Amino acid sequence: ETGVTQSPTHLIKTRGQQVTLRCSSQSGHNTVSWYQQALGQGPQFIFQYYREEENGRGNFPPRFSGLQFPNYSSELNVNALELDDSALYLCASSFGLAGAGHEQFFGPGTRLTVL
Amino acid sequence: AQSVTQLGSHVSVSEGALVLLRCNYSSSVPPYLFWYVQYPNQGLQLLLKYTTGATLVKGINGFEAEFKKSETSFHLTKPSAHMSDAAEYFCAVSRENQGGKLIFGQGTELSVKP
Repeated sequence: ETGVTQSPTHLIKTRGQQVTLRCSSQSGHNTVSWYQQALGQGPQFIFQYYREEENGRGNFPPRFSGLQFPNYSSELNVNALELDDSALYLCASSFGLAGAGHEQFFGPGTRLTVL
Repeated sequence: AQSVTQLGSHVSVSEGALVLLRCNYSSSVPPYLFWYVQYPNQGLQLLLKYTTGATLVKGINGFEAEFKKSETSFHLTKPSAHMSDAAEYFCAVSRENQGGKLIFGQGTELSVKP
């Protein structure tokens, strides 16, 4: 059974650029959630996709957007990058809605640095 | 609004000693509660969770946690620390009809001294 994978591992961008992060869900999972983890902080919920539709969103601006594909893989897109966007971005997959107590399985994350 | 507070950003114990990591939550309705562990340069791994039923929950690697509704707490314990337990630990809470949101505490870094 393949776990959650994310690419790339590390990424360096400059302010104002756009970035796309990718996530492959664990086999059989139909829900993907994205989190931002700033240095020394707990992860912050960005949004969740369930069966290709956004199912919930945290307190992040619209320049943070996402997609979930028919194979349940997912992308996180961030436009107009700001210095504060520098963080570890975590993807988590689950079978069913994570808010209902289903376990979320996390990937290793993508470390984004914005200069 | 829900929130999670982890008391102590850094806890240090000796190998073989009791591990106690504290977590308090605020929620207007009974939540689902989780403890995750994060090793350096890795994602989060679920240690244990409470949804319903028995309030004492046993997890992996010898960890357990007790849900105390009256104290709004979900503290994590392990009777005897091992060097391999050194990591960052996160308490998290979720509720149904909240869009799948997991709300995490700030984390507690556990150090284990030989």
